[in-house]
Amino acid sequence: QKEVEQDPGPLSVPEGAIVSLNCTYSNSAFQYFMWYRQYSRKGPELLMYTYSSGNKEDGRFTAQVDKSSKYISLFIRDSQPSDSATYLCAMKGHAGKSTFGDGTTLTVKP
Amino acid sequence: GAGVSQSPSNKVTEKGKDVELRCDPISGHTALYWYRQSLGQGLEFLIYFQGNSAPDKSGLPSDRFSAERTGGSVSTLTIQRTQQEDSAVYLCASSPGDRSYEQYFGPGTRLTVT
Repeated sequence: QKEVEQDPGPLSVPEGAIVSLNCTYSNSAFQYFMWYRQYSRKGPELLMYTYSSGNKEDGRFTAQVDKSSKYISLFIRDSQPSDSATYLCAMKGHAGKSTFGDGTTLTVKP
Repeated sequence: GAGVSQSPSNKVTEKGKDVELRCDPISGHTALYWYRQSLGQGLEFLIYFQGNSAPDKSGLPSDRFSAERTGGSVSTLTIQRTQQEDSAVYLCASSPGDRSYEQYFGPGTRLTVT
């Protein structure tokens, strides 16, 4: 079993929809929880990060971490066609490398 | 400032040939990672360099793969005797340090083995 499991998708939603992207994990040592966005034929770029449990909001994006359930989510409100990309969750402890999910491909249709 | 750069951007090679892929990390970043991404797949971790510590090679798929990092900066990933299953995008990322959560990715090298 992988340390990080991500809902596989793909997801296709109409413009303006609320999108929920989710990951579960098994390693209790993870403290940092990140979401990366990857456009086609580009490298991933960091979108948001959360340290430990709780919510973090940045514009239309909200990252949520529930350490008791080992479950993280990224919510996108008022989704736009420009949000169409692959979203990767990633996690790490206080030191060492990050562990990535396999990604969820999102298409937002105008 | 300058981001992570990788060269070449595309490489087509014949089965059995050796290839070298280069990564120039962000200046001052002590951590450097190599990943492989096959079409439509997630990131497969290959190798991790942190400062002067011994690299974490736990993700290298076979002994045909090797990497080095010279002077704590530029890194080269070498694939010997390439196979068709090596075809993928090879991504490099750098990070300010071992305790940093951020990784900055390069644009990748698209390798095609014919």
